[in-house]
This record gives sequence, structure tokens and C-alpha cells, in this order.
Amino acid sequence: QQPVQSPQAVILREGEDAVINCSSSKALYSVHWYRQKHGEAPVFLMILLKGGEQKGHEKISASFNEKKQQSSLYLTASQLSYSGTYFCGTEIDNTGKLIFGQGTTLQVKP
Amino acid sequence: SQTIHQWPATLVQPVGSPLSLECTVEGTSNPNLYWYRQAAGRGLQLLFYSVGIGQISSEVPQNLSASRPQDRQFILSSKKLLLSDSGFYLCAWSALFNGSPLHFGNGTRLTVT
Repeated sequence: QQPVQSPQAVILREGEDAVINCSSSKALYSVHWYRQKHGEAPVFLMILLKGGEQKGHEKISASFNEKKQQSSLYLTASQLSYSGTYFCGTEIDNTGKLIFGQGTTLQVKP
Repeated sequence: SQTIHQWPATLVQPVGSPLSLECTVEGTSNPNLYWYRQAAGRGLQLLFYSVGIGQISSEVPQNLSASRPQDRQFILSSKKLLLSDSGFYLCAWSALFNGSPLHFGNGTRLTVT
């Protein structure tokens, strides 16, 4: 039931782009994306509700393919502050309960 | 504005001792409340979920229990801690409407020795 994230880890240079994927074996009601810095709590990035919408947030955007039960997070022109672990959280039943993927560690180097 | 308080920030407890972690939310009414655990270098595991006072859903069978004695108070407990209970415990809240994000507390780092 846990969604699968790929890749597990990414190393980038400042200014490069990255894509993080999240795939579920179950039909999804919504997908959430969070970023966690080491030793801190996860911070909300964005939500995508079923309907196949794409959302943007500065240079971070995401898409949700309801049919494929997949979501992707796009980070463009990466900055040092983008470093951290990214988690997708999937909701299957409109209860607010999120099941999180195992995380993708992103490291942006100067 | 809404805030979530979680304490203590760190805790070291011996095996077999009891545990009580508390979480309170301010600035909102009737929130959904959650307890998650994160083992070192791992993902977030949902432990308990509550939609109202006294209503607790346990997601994973384990050595822990949760209670919600008041609308904005959520407590995680154990009668006897195990080594495997070590981890980073996160309380979170969300509003009731569809598409509401989770807002996490700062977490409690528990080490069972």
C-alpha cells in the first residue's frame, strides 16, 4: 500500500533540473508532496487532487496522472535550499489519512 | 493563525519504562490529528489517526496507544517501551475539508536504551 518513489537519491549542481516520481498500486484521491530537512519536520509543498491537475509553485511544480496512479514533482533551476528529502503522501479514501513513500534524498551542490 | 505544539523535543528512556508524548493544536477547531513515526533514515509511518474526541484509528499493531481527551489534544502513550520504539515521533493536524495539507509539529526524538 505504500507508494514507491524513484529515484531514491539525486545529486545535482545548482541550476540543474530534477524529477521525482511517486507511484501507487491503488487508485488515489489525492497526492501530497513534502520536503524534510535533516532533523526537522516535513514541510508541505503542494496537493494534487484527482482530476489530473498540474500545479506550480515558483520553480517547483507537480503533476498527477490519475489513470496511471502516478505523480511527479519537477524541480527546475535547482537552488541550494532545495536540498532535503522529498516525500509523496497518498490518500486513497478521502479521509485525510496519508501513506508516505520512502522518500527521495536530493542534494544540490554549488 | 494555527500552531501545533509537541513536547518534549528529545527524550531518552530505558527499556520497560512508560511513555507519554503530548501534542496540542491552537487556532482551529475539530482538526484531524495524526501520529507518525520515522525511524532513522526512513520514511513516515502512520501510527494513529483521529477525527474527533475519543475517536482513534490504529494503523499499525504495536506497543503504543493514543488518546484524544480534548478536541485539540492528542497523546501518544506506551506502558512499557521496547528498543524498537526508538525514532522520531511527529504529531500533525489537518482541517476537515477536502485537500487540506498536513501540518507537522517539530517532533520528539525518542531514544530507548
